[in-house]
Amino acid sequence: GAGVSQTPSNKVTEKGKYVELRCDPISGHTALYWYRQSLGQGPEFLIYFQGTGAADDSGLPNDRFFAVRPEGSVSTLKIQRTERGDSAVYLCASRASPNTGELFFGEGSRLTVL
Amino acid sequence: GENVEQHPSTLSVQEGDSAVIKCTYSDSASNYFPWYKQELGKRPQLIIDIRSNVGEKKDQRIAVTLNKTAKHFSLHITETQPEDSAVYFCAASRSYQKVTFGTGTKLQVIP
Repeated sequence: GAGVSQTPSNKVTEKGKYVELRCDPISGHTALYWYRQSLGQGPEFLIYFQGTGAADDSGLPNDRFFAVRPEGSVSTLKIQRTERGDSAVYLCASRASPNTGELFFGEGSRLTVL
Repeated sequence: GENVEQHPSTLSVQEGDSAVIKCTYSDSASNYFPWYKQELGKRPQLIIDIRSNVGEKKDQRIAVTLNKTAKHFSLHITETQPEDSAVYFCAASRSYQKVTFGTGTKLQVIP
């Protein structure tokens, strides 16, 4: 596609529910990142994939958060037993290759946990 | 891990004046420093970046300077215009891997 696509754009769920957020990166981009952005804050790193493997998952806050990228393209961020503190905009970004720096961000998925 | 601090958190300037945003980083191995602009309700977009083998880079009205010894880098915007109003984020990365962002500076350009 022309840009990074994220779905859903908005998700409202109840505390304790399971949520999946999807990211479709720019075609051919090898690296994919997930960030979380709370109001008035900078993007907080969660996880970064190079190809199919998680190259760095040091930002995942706890074991309720998990992300996959099984075929090296689309990625899904999975949140179990959601808590109100998980409410934020979840941003996905892709990068063309290991030797380029620019991140191309999606519009984000706004998650609200009631 | 890397820690990036950014100041000021808010900045108001008159149209036509210059704006400067400063960042410091903690990991001396970081070698790539991008700046992103995020307009209200929009996605962050890269506006300029600098690599550690360069001390300064300029692109029209924006410039970035890097001081590796002090581990700080700055964004300079000259002749500010209302459309420069946005939140600006600095970031640091080691070899284009994990990218750590600062907390952001909300710039308001007053016409």
